[in-house]
Amino acid sequence: QVQLQQWGAGVLKPSETLSLICAVYGGSFSDYYWSWIRASPGKGLEWIGEINHRGGTNYNPSLKSRVTMSVDKSKNQFSLRLTSVTAADTAVYYCAREVIVARGAFDYWGRGTLVTVSS
Amino acid sequence: EIVMTQTPLSSPVTLGQPASISCRSSQSLVHSDGNTYLSWLQQRPGQPIRLLIYKISNRVSGVPDRFSGSGAGTDFTLKISRVEAEDVGVYYCVQATQFPRTFGQGTKVEIK
Repeated sequence: QVQLQQWGAGVLKPSETLSLICAVYGGSFSDYYWSWIRASPGKGLEWIGEINHRGGTNYNPSLKSRVTMSVDKSKNQFSLRLTSVTAADTAVYYCAREVIVARGAFDYWGRGTLVTVSS
Repeated sequence: EIVMTQTPLSSPVTLGQPASISCRSSQSLVHSDGNTYLSWLQQRPGQPIRLLIYKISNRVSGVPDRFSGSGAGTDFTLKISRVEAEDVGVYYCVQATQFPRTFGQGTKVEIK
């Protein structure tokens, strides 16, 4: 049974850095892309980016200048850093697994972490 | 980026009746490898987001066969043949043919 467990700070001040980690339990770590996706009332679901087990990344151009994703294969974990946050970054952040041979097949999701940016 | 437009945004349905959700993309979703990477997701209240359908019409193991996907090019449809109470939630289409991946706005299915 595959599980994605995510955690990180839920309240940030403007200009701070958002940091989230997602741990993968069960299944292969190397046969998938690992994604971060966020949901906000104003923007719906927004894809932030993805990383594979080798550390190869693809980012959303709208966030690329502020996003860094990394992977720790020894722990089956991947992480998201988003710098210089503003109120517009307030959202529920999800980690998700995407099947490499069936792109867009986000078949397992974390429960989501509500991140609120407020002064 | 590819814009995904879902209609309707809200769908009140009588139990046992069908429901249909349309998803249109601003560009063709046919990838250079010949595949069309269009998926459907379900978000039920208090539940993790769930993948229902991938590559237009491939139903994920464990998804009831009352859910079906169809379409081609820029027009896609998710159909629920007979809506059950457990189908209440928000449904999203997502394209993965191009970066960045983009989602539809979501369609809320509720019981009349």
